Amino acid sequence: DVQLVESGGDLVQPGRSLRLSCAASGFTFRDYAMHWVRQTPGRGLEWVSSIGWGNNNIRYADSVKGRFTISRDDAKNSLYLQMNSLRVEDTALYYCAKDMDSGEYFDSWGQGTLVTVSS
Amino acid sequence: DIQMTQSPSSLSASIGDTVTITCRASQTIHNYLNWYQQKPGKAPSLLVYTTSNLFGAVPSRFSGSGSGTDFTLTISSLQPEDFATYYCQHSYRAPYTFGQGTKLDI
Repeated sequence: DVQLVESGGDLVQPGRSLRLSCAASGFTFRDYAMHWVRQTPGRGLEWVSSIGWGNNNIRYADSVKGRFTISRDDAKNSLYLQMNSLRVEDTALYYCAKDMDSGEYFDSWGQGTLVTVSS
Repeated sequence: DIQMTQSPSSLSASIGDTVTITCRASQTIHNYLNWYQQKPGKAPSLLVYTTSNLFGAVPSRFSGSGSGTDFTLTISSLQPEDFATYYCQHSYRAPYTFGQGTKLDI
């Protein structure tokens, strides 16, 4: 079975950095694009970033472009999100999600890791 | 960016009812429309992809239709486990925006 386990969420002050990780198992990680999606009660679900297989096709939402960096380590079956210059509005539950057949939709999700940005 | 608008935002129904949720895109997305179900405290799960394809073991009482800008998710013969929040999402081009959700309750 596909399993995605996020970690790294924490309470941080505005302007600080945080790195999220997602450990994947149960599928051939290197063959699939991966995504980060975040959720807040107020703004609902928001796609954040994606990375294709082979580290190609990296994309970001405008709200995080220039501050967040997505990466992957296929040898470790892991996905990462480096979050710099964090803002209060980045507070959310961050999900790691597996792409289905390069269709830019998400057939497996982790349980999420909570990022809280507050002074 | 393509905006996705769902209606209604909430819906009350009974076991055995048939309900329809609508999703409208601000511009054409052809058939690149997907639906997710989310239950409290859980991650979303994929129900329907590219408008009308049921994912995995999703029961056949779920169906999706539409094209261009207007899409629907229909749930027939509602079961207790169907009471949840439903989201549409387009996959036409980045950013892959979601609708605001439709909460289906009893």
